[in-house]
Amino acid sequence: QKEVEQNSGPLSVPEGAIASLNCTYSDRGSQSFFWYRQYSGKSPELIMFIYSNGDKEDGRFTAQLNKASQYVSLLIRDSQPSDSATYLCAVNRNTGKLIFGQGTTLQVKP
Amino acid sequence: DAGITQSPRHKVTETGTPVTLRCHQTENHRYMYWYRQDPGHGLRLIHYSYGVKDTDKGEVSDGYSVSRSKTEDFLLTLESATSSQTSVYFCAISEKAGTGGETQYFGPGTRLLVL
Repeated sequence: QKEVEQNSGPLSVPEGAIASLNCTYSDRGSQSFFWYRQYSGKSPELIMFIYSNGDKEDGRFTAQLNKASQYVSLLIRDSQPSDSATYLCAVNRNTGKLIFGQGTTLQVKP
Repeated sequence: DAGITQSPRHKVTETGTPVTLRCHQTENHRYMYWYRQDPGHGLRLIHYSYGVKDTDKGEVSDGYSVSRSKTEDFLLTLESATSSQTSVYFCAISEKAGTGGETQYFGPGTRLLVL
């Protein structure tokens, strides 16, 4: 079992829809959780992080964390073609070393 | 954007030659990381540094060495490059290791091709 798992996709949604990206992790000691976006040929860029159970909103993005079920998700509202990218989930067990999932490719179709 | 640069940005080399990649930061962050990214494997940690001259191995450290003689520079060396080390290499930095400061920011990457 991989420490951090994501469905590789591609996940295809129409423009204006809500995109839901999911990530599960195996280590219950994980402390903090990150979502990065990576455009093809570019470096990962931070979207948001979450530490506590529940939801955290930032503009069109909402991160959801459920530590009991060991999953974290990212919702993108009003998806735009410019949101088409690979989304990486990362988990920190308070060691400073992030463990990354393989990423989910999102395609937003006009 | 965090002040992180990587050099070279692209490199083609031959099997058996040594290669050194450089990461330079202007943020004065204590922690620096080297990752490789390959299709099907995602981002994997090679080595990291938690201070000047303080380094440790990541999950895929075989065939790689690192050095950090100054806060701002973190060097990754492939002692004798092999074709399996063809990859995209990313440097990242973070202010702290613990919750609250461990967000990592990435450099632009180096594409390495070993023939």
